[in-house]
Amino acid sequence: SQQGEEDPQALSIQEGENATMNCSYKTSINNLQWYRQNSGRGLVHLILIRSNEREKHSGRLRVTLDTSKKSSSLLITASRAADTASYFCATANQAGTALIFGKGTTLSVSS
Amino acid sequence: GAVVSQHPSRVICKSGTSVKIECRSLDFQATTMFWYRQFPKQSLMLMATSNEGSKATYEQGVEKDKFLINHASLTLSTLTVTSAHPEDSSFYICSAKSGGAVETQYFGPGTRLLVL
Repeated sequence: SQQGEEDPQALSIQEGENATMNCSYKTSINNLQWYRQNSGRGLVHLILIRSNEREKHSGRLRVTLDTSKKSSSLLITASRAADTASYFCATANQAGTALIFGKGTTLSVSS
Repeated sequence: GAVVSQHPSRVICKSGTSVKIECRSLDFQATTMFWYRQFPKQSLMLMATSNEGSKATYEQGVEKDKFLINHASLTLSTLTVTSAHPEDSSFYICSAKSGGAVETQYFGPGTRLLVL
C-alpha cells in the first residue's frame, strides 16, 4: 500500500524558478527520504530527514518535515533543465522491513 | 561504493516465455534484496523481499509462482518472470542492503521488460 502521497502529480516550471513538492504519509516514522528518478532509470537518493529534524539542506535542495501534519516538502531552488525527473518520497513500513514509496511528482523544467 | 547492478537492462520476449533478471551488489554483501515493479508514470510497488538463504516474502497480490525469486548468495538475487504475458511488461527495479535499517537501500538501474 502507498504510504506517501505526493502533490502535485506534475509540475512544469521555467529554469531558474523554484519547485516545491509535497508528500504526506499516514503512520509514524523514524525518517523520510526523497529520491529522484530520471526517465527510465533507477533511483537516486537525494536526502534523508529524521523525525526529530524540521528542516534539512543539501545544495539546492531544502526538505522540511512536519510530523504533526505527517507531511514533508522538497524545495528545489534555482531549477535547471537537468532537474527534470520524477521525485518520490519514501518511508519505512510499520514493521520497518520495507520502504514504501509515494506516487511521485513529475517535474519538468524548461529552458 | 554501494553499487547495485541489474542485468539485462532491457529485454523483449514472447508471451509465454520466462525471463530471468539478475540483481547484483558489486561492492558489498547484501543480506536483503528487494524487488519492485513500476508501471509507466506510476510509483514503485514492492513485490517481494528476499533474505539470503531464505524464501522470499511476497507482498499481497504478487503471485509467488509467477515471480520466482532466488537469493542464493550475498551478492546475487534473481527474479524470474514465468510464462510472461503482456501485462507483465513493466520496469523492474531491485535494491539491496547490508544489515542496518531498511532506509539504507541501494537501488539498481532497473530492467525494462516488454512482453509481446
